[in-house]
Amino acid sequence: QQQVKQSPQSLIVQKGGISIINCAYENTAFDYFPWYQQFPGKGPALLIAIRPDVSEKKEGRFTISFNKSAKQFSLHIMDSQPGDSATYFCAARGGTSYGKLTFGQGTILTVHP
Amino acid sequence: EAQVTQNPRYLITVTGKKLTVTCSQNMNHEYMSWYRQDPGLGLRQIYYSMNVEVTDKGDVPEGYKVSRKEKRNFPLILESPSPNQTSLYFCASSSPRSDMGAGETQYFGPGTRLLVL
Repeated sequence: QQQVKQSPQSLIVQKGGISIINCAYENTAFDYFPWYQQFPGKGPALLIAIRPDVSEKKEGRFTISFNKSAKQFSLHIMDSQPGDSATYFCAARGGTSYGKLTFGQGTILTVHP
Repeated sequence: EAQVTQNPRYLITVTGKKLTVTCSQNMNHEYMSWYRQDPGLGLRQIYYSMNVEVTDKGDVPEGYKVSRKEKRNFPLILESPSPNQTSLYFCASSSPRSDMGAGETQYFGPGTRLLVL
């Protein structure tokens, strides 16, 4: 059972464009929503995260938008660059066990120069 | 340098031959976890440990064992590997006391790619 659903599976964007990745969750006990970035051959690394009492968080070109009532959150990458090409995972923490992260399926982002 | 290390990075084995993937962290983190990554499925938690001698099942624990005898180490054991355990495995660690503004960060190792023939 996939408790965090992520879309799209893959995304192609031109340099300078906006990349948008969406996630939806079911468990209202989730209390922390991170996004991880993974480059080929590497482990995932935290990119940006948000708590459900905040509707938006921005760090540089990366923004999380959070809609608690809809149980949805999204990652926006402004001015996308070829170096942003990677796999992105949304995740949600909490539920039945502390520290447990439930991940989305992942989105492969390709930014063309 | 703060890091999570895994060994081996790549492993090819045959069905039924016991193997162990080691994981070590140098950040004095209490929480450690193992995930497997498969295309289209994201990362799924196998087992986790809240602290020394405290372990519990994640979402996909069948066919795996773990132990946590020391705080820094959290090995993953496959007693009798099968082809459906062919995957990319990640170890991660975190601490509830770290303050990253929105909660603690899980630090991931570089991954172990396992092929079971």
